[in-house]
Amino acid sequence: DGGITQSPKYLFRKEGQNVTLSCEQNLNHDAMYWYRQDPGQGLRLIYYSQIVNDFQKGDIAEGYSVSREKKESFPLTVTSAQKNPTAFYLCASSIVGGLSGYTFGSGTRLTVV
Amino acid sequence: AQSVSQHNHHVILSEAASLELGCNYSYGGTVNLFWYVQYPGQHLQLLLKYFSGDPLVKGIKGFEAEFIKSKFSFNLRKPSVQWSDTAEYFCAAIMIYNQGGKLIFGQGTELSVKP
Repeated sequence: DGGITQSPKYLFRKEGQNVTLSCEQNLNHDAMYWYRQDPGQGLRLIYYSQIVNDFQKGDIAEGYSVSREKKESFPLTVTSAQKNPTAFYLCASSIVGGLSGYTFGSGTRLTVV
Repeated sequence: AQSVSQHNHHVILSEAASLELGCNYSYGGTVNLFWYVQYPGQHLQLLLKYFSGDPLVKGIKGFEAEFIKSKFSFNLRKPSVQWSDTAEYFCAAIMIYNQGGKLIFGQGTELSVKP
């Protein structure tokens, strides 16, 4: 079945450590996205990539980094510079342009202690 | 700046009650509109979408939404809710202004249906 796989489902890290969240898709989609979900704030866009080896900052990119070396993969690193990293992180993908909507993964809940 | 607003943060209904969740967007150009649902512990699922044509769109599980361009609105409706509709509902929009569209979400509405 085609879909998006995010791993792990739950992640715990100590403050000050960088952590990388995995996102893999087998939908043959060109575009991939990372969102952060916080209660009462909906989903906010962190980074997105429309094509391999290219990506753009979203609305809340500070303290995050990404890479897009393969079409299928779009890992997100939460760095120690992110002031409030504890959140639910959602990865999504779409055809180029994304005008018909996105397909979402099941998310990773990151807790920094 | 383009934005999407959902006016109800938490709605509590009894089973068989009718549902209407409000959604407004701020953009004067062409938009594609979506409603997503997130059941407890599950991933986001697409309920329905509007691109063009008939402004009344029907989605899965008996949901429908009406696009009213003059009001910049895309409200979600269901005539009779069930306990299994308990979930968080997100309105989202892609404001079409170049080749790349970014999906912008509203704040979400938590729906609790009492049996």
